[in-house]
Amino acid sequence: QQQVKQSPQSLIVQKGGISIINCAYENTAFDYFPWYQQFPGKGPALLIAIRPDVSEKKEGRFTISFNKSAKQFSLHIMDSQPGDSATYFCAASRAGNQFYFGTGTSLTVIP
Amino acid sequence: DSGVTQTPKHLITATGQRVTLRCSPRSGDLSVYWYQQSLDQGLQFLIQYYNGEERAKGNILERFSAQQFPDLHSELNLSSLELGDSALYFCASSDGTSWDEQFFGPGTRLTVL
Repeated sequence: QQQVKQSPQSLIVQKGGISIINCAYENTAFDYFPWYQQFPGKGPALLIAIRPDVSEKKEGRFTISFNKSAKQFSLHIMDSQPGDSATYFCAASRAGNQFYFGTGTSLTVIP
Repeated sequence: DSGVTQTPKHLITATGQRVTLRCSPRSGDLSVYWYQQSLDQGLQFLIQYYNGEERAKGNILERFSAQQFPDLHSELNLSSLELGDSALYFCASSDGTSWDEQFFGPGTRLTVL
């Protein structure tokens, strides 16, 4: 059973546009929701993370929106740039002991 | 560079064989996580160690085992290998206190022929 469901599988956005990736989770005990960015040939790197006590967190061009009642969270990339082209993974964990990852979204930003 | 090292970078072996993947966490990190990444399964959590002790177990097969040594490096042992075990294997570490952020290594690409 997939604990975290991520969509879309792939996304193509024009430079300057907004990229939106969505995730949904099942386990209400999850208390930490990170997003990772992975470039080809590299390991995932933490991009931004949120806890369920806030509904939004913004860091630069990256924003997480969190809807606890709907058990959904999303990543918004504003002013998308070609350098943002990568695979993005959402994840969820409980007390940092076990992380469940989404299946990933391949983002391509066209110049 | 995350500070997490993994060896070897690539590994090619045959079905039925046994291999050992090695991970050195970032200096000071007590927690080590192992993940398997395949095209159709995404990132799958295998197992977590904290300061030498197993802390959490995910979708790790019985043919796989891991341990964390006193110097905090970790090894993932894969035995009786099958074609389906071909994947990228990542190690990540965290300091165990602010366990939020995991730092991933570059991965080991395992190919089973």
